[in-house]
Amino acid sequence: DAGVTQSPTHLIKTRGQQVTLRCSPKSGHDTVSWYQQALGQGPQFIFQYYEEEERQRGNFPDRFSGHQFPNYSSELNVNALLLGDSALYLCASSADFREQFFGPGTRLTVL
Amino acid sequence: EDKVVQSPLSLVVHEGDTVTLNCSYEVTNFRSLLWYKQEKKAPTFLFMLTSSGIEKKSGRLSSILDKKELSSILNITATQTGDSAIYLCAVMKTSYDKVIFGPGTSLSVIP
Repeated sequence: DAGVTQSPTHLIKTRGQQVTLRCSPKSGHDTVSWYQQALGQGPQFIFQYYEEEERQRGNFPDRFSGHQFPNYSSELNVNALLLGDSALYLCASSADFREQFFGPGTRLTVL
Repeated sequence: EDKVVQSPLSLVVHEGDTVTLNCSYEVTNFRSLLWYKQEKKAPTFLFMLTSSGIEKKSGRLSSILDKKELSSILNITATQTGDSAIYLCAVMKTSYDKVIFGPGTSLSVIP
């Protein structure tokens, strides 16, 4: 049973560019949540997707957007990248209000 | 504003010691409290606690929730170097399953 997968593993971008991160949930899970984890901090909730719609959103600007596909996989898009967007981006999947399982993350560096 | 606090933020112990990690929360519409272990990238699930006073155990790890005191503890007995990690406490709300993380406790176990 494959767990949560994310791609790419690492990414380097420059300020002002746009980035797309991808996530495939664990088999049987229909809910995908995205988190940003800066160095030395706990994960911060960005948003959550369920049935292809954004169901919850944290305190992140509109530059952060996402999408969920019919197969439950999801993308996180960040526009107009800032240096402060450098972080580990974690995707987590879940079902039926049970515990979330995390993917290995994408390390984004903005230069 | 919802808040999850952990203490201590970092801890260094010797192999064989017993440690207690603390988590307190101020969250509206509480559903459950979760503990995760983060070694390199993906947080791995340890416990989900919903009912007060019921201890959950997994090997040398155990955890209990006190809903009256809005807190939880994670105990690790007979620590090993492999227990070195960041331990994250998180609270799941009843509004769908938005999860709020604390800053984590960095545990280092030295031989």
